[in-house]
Amino acid sequence: GQNIDQPTEMTATEGAIVQINCTYQTSGFNGLFWYQQHAGEAPTFLSYNVLDGLEEKGRFSSFLSRSKGYSYLLLKELQMKDSASYLCAVRDSNYQLIWGAGTKLIIKP
Amino acid sequence: DTAVSQTPKYLVTQMGNDKSIKCEQNLGHDTMYWYKQDSKKFLKIMFSYNNKELIINETVPNRFSPKSPDKAHLNLHINSLELGDSAVYFCASSVTVSGANVLTFGAGSRLTVL
Repeated sequence: GQNIDQPTEMTATEGAIVQINCTYQTSGFNGLFWYQQHAGEAPTFLSYNVLDGLEEKGRFSSFLSRSKGYSYLLLKELQMKDSASYLCAVRDSNYQLIWGAGTKLIIKP
Repeated sequence: DTAVSQTPKYLVTQMGNDKSIKCEQNLGHDTMYWYKQDSKKFLKIMFSYNNKELIINETVPNRFSPKSPDKAHLNLHINSLELGDSAVYFCASSVTVSGANVLTFGAGSRLTVL
């Protein structure tokens, strides 16, 4: 079966750095996405990786290793507004998105 | 000027009733989706339409019927509601940017079946 694993919850301090991991087992791979979802709101697109390596976008970076079936989202200089769930999703060989359950990130002052 | 709008935002109803959720996007996207997010927060694709044509129909009870009158609208009708249908339903549309099929979601419709 297809599976996306990410930690259920993480806690970090304002101003610090946090890394949210995602491992996947899917039938084929055609890209990995990270979305941010604040409580009670819609998911919003953060990043896309299809080749191995690091993609940097401001305070957020996303890394992919296809051979390891692994990605992480790195958030720097954490702000209180970064408190949200972070969803990892993989596009499989049929170009369908398989979603993880999300990691709830709690930022403390 | 909302990109993907869905109504209603909240829906509380009794088992056995029939209800509809409407969705409209003004982004000019060709593809629209319905997702279900359950209490465990998994997002599960239900349906996908491309230019009014059904392209994804996951294993969803046939009590759920999508309708796309044009490529800017994708409505979801649910017959004979059951307790297990309680969830947040997200409408989304997508465009491909540099090979990435990026989804824009509506704000969600929280359905509670009593």
